[in-house]
Amino acid sequence: DAGVTQSPTHLIKTRGQHVTLRCSPISGHKSVSWYQQVLGQGPQFIFQYYEKEERGRGNFPDRFSARQFPNYSSELNVNALLLGDSALYLCASSWEASGDLYNEQFFGPGTRLTVL
Amino acid sequence: AQSVSQHNHHVILSEAASLELGCNYSYGGTVNLFWYVQYPGQHLQLLLKYFSGDPLVKGIKGFEAEFIKSKFSFNLRKPSVQWSDTAEYFCAVNARGGYQKVTFGIGTKLQVIP
Repeated sequence: DAGVTQSPTHLIKTRGQHVTLRCSPISGHKSVSWYQQVLGQGPQFIFQYYEKEERGRGNFPDRFSARQFPNYSSELNVNALLLGDSALYLCASSWEASGDLYNEQFFGPGTRLTVL
Repeated sequence: AQSVSQHNHHVILSEAASLELGCNYSYGGTVNLFWYVQYPGQHLQLLLKYFSGDPLVKGIKGFEAEFIKSKFSFNLRKPSVQWSDTAEYFCAVNARGGYQKVTFGIGTKLQVIP
């Protein structure tokens, strides 16, 4: 079975540009979450989407947005890129939306974004 | 809000040495607990997880962790490390109920010397 997939693998942008990152969850999973992992830190929660609706948002500016499509895949958009947005962006999927018993998240390989 | 504290940021061990990585979390309610590993150049992988039941959980590659509720701790252990265990280890927690937000610790870089 395919795991969580993300595209592209690597991306280089310049300050002020916009970027779109994509994620396909494990088949059957309806929830997708996004995390940012800056070098030397643990992943930080950005968003969770379930059934195309935003269910949770972390402490990130409005430049960050996301959406989920009917097939449960998701896009993360970042506008007006800053140098500090350089990071590994991780997508995770799970069956349900809540942090309930046994509802484990499975992580994708990530997209490495470099902002110059 | 939940938070996770990992005590050791960088650990260097010789092969065959025993490993214990400390992790404490802060949250007033019931939680699920995880340890993830990130090998050099690879993506985040689940090492082990605790949801309920026996507080001593066993994971892949000989790792185990013990949940001590009274201490809000979930320490990771391995009796004898190998060079291939060189990686970064993250402790993580998510609150039961509500939406699914996994909070990670800062990570511990483990370097095993042959």
